[in-house]
Amino acid sequence: AQTVTQSQPEMSVQEAETVTLSCTYDTSESNYYLFWYKQPPSRQMILVIRQEAYKQQNATENRFSVNFQKAAKSFSLKISDSQLGDTAMYFCAFGMYSGGGADGLTFGKGTHLIIQP
Amino acid sequence: DVKVTQSSRYLVKRTGEKVFLECVQDMDHENMFWYRQDPGLGLRLIYFSYDVKMKEKGDIPEGYSVSREKKERFSLILESASTNQTSMYLCASNSGATYEQYFGPGTRLTVT
Repeated sequence: AQTVTQSQPEMSVQEAETVTLSCTYDTSESNYYLFWYKQPPSRQMILVIRQEAYKQQNATENRFSVNFQKAAKSFSLKISDSQLGDTAMYFCAFGMYSGGGADGLTFGKGTHLIIQP
Repeated sequence: DVKVTQSSRYLVKRTGEKVFLECVQDMDHENMFWYRQDPGLGLRLIYFSYDVKMKEKGDIPEGYSVSREKKERFSLILESASTNQTSMYLCASNSGATYEQYFGPGTRLTVT
């Protein structure tokens, strides 16, 4: 079974700062996907970024980037130039490559990120 | 855009009632999922389905059942609601081509 650990229950930074959210996972699989999801107060879960384990290049989506360290089983999310709208719960999630996406994702417990004006 | 809808945003039921939570997706996805979200516990998988009439247990299936009679619709059933089933319930779907899951807005269920 896979486990996902987010060690920071809550973080608070000033607007425009850069913030890094940590995520580690444990698996015996070699092919898998990793995701960061954002859940704002509206409760709608939104995909922020995805990373395929077989890709060495770190994924980037505008102000969001990841630091994927496969050997260390680490998958951190960096948010640059943080904005008030980034305030949300952030969940790290693991998905198995085998099964064609039909298996559920394993989620961490989440990090509540607060962007202060 | 993928759209996943859930029948209710808020629901209040009494202990012992039978509860139906409905989820519909409009992107012809093969796979659908039900999660439960509790503070400090993240999301936990209850059941999932990879085809019509097919279902698989997730990590916490006890006290729940599901139904998938049509590809676009996946229902979560609480046969006899209990107070420890008070929670946020999230439905999601995906296709085998993309892996990432698309979520509905959630149903906050309160059992009194």
